[in-house]
Amino acid sequence: DQQVKQNSPSLSVQEGRISILNCDYTNSMFDYFLWYKKYPAEGPTFLISISSIKDKNEDGRFTVFLNKSAKHLSLHIVPSQPGDSAVYFCAASYGGSQGNLIFGKGTKLSVKP
Amino acid sequence: ETGVTQTPRHLVMGMTNKKSLKCEQHLGHNAMYWYKQSAKKPLELMFVYNFKEQTENNSVPSRFSPECPNSSHLFLHLHTLQPEDSALYLCASSHRDGYQPQHFGDGTRLSIL
Repeated sequence: DQQVKQNSPSLSVQEGRISILNCDYTNSMFDYFLWYKKYPAEGPTFLISISSIKDKNEDGRFTVFLNKSAKHLSLHIVPSQPGDSAVYFCAASYGGSQGNLIFGKGTKLSVKP
Repeated sequence: ETGVTQTPRHLVMGMTNKKSLKCEQHLGHNAMYWYKQSAKKPLELMFVYNFKEQTENNSVPSRFSPECPNSSHLFLHLHTLQPEDSALYLCASSHRDGYQPQHFGDGTRLSIL
């Protein structure tokens, strides 16, 4: 049974608009969450993370929101750029930032010029 | 030079062959990981090494045999593989076991004939 779910396999957004990628989890023990970005033929690259003691973390155009009661997190990209087109993986761990990662299946984002 | 380097990038082998995947990290990390990504599935953790000692074996079949001679190098020895073992194999490293974020290599695309 999947503990980390990304229910949208793909998302298409116009350049300059907001991209919102969603992730749900089932294990209430998870307390650290990460987003990775993956281009074709490359490995995943760490993007942004959030601890369960926070509900928001921002880094430039990327913001991650965490709703613990709903066991839901989202990644907002504003404004979206064509170079953001990639597969985005949500991952979770327990043990703070010191646990093994459980990944979602990924969401393929396409940003159209 | 990239942080985590995997060779070869592509490998085609028969079910009776023996081959090895290699991973090298230049980040000064002490933990290294092997992941498997099959089509339409999330990344699955296979093995974890911390300071050259194996700390995690995620119920991986014995036809996969990891080796970590030092903190910078990680191998995955393959023998008598099955067609369902065809996948992308990713290596990652982090400062210590379970510390985030993990830094990934670009993977080896393995095809079993």
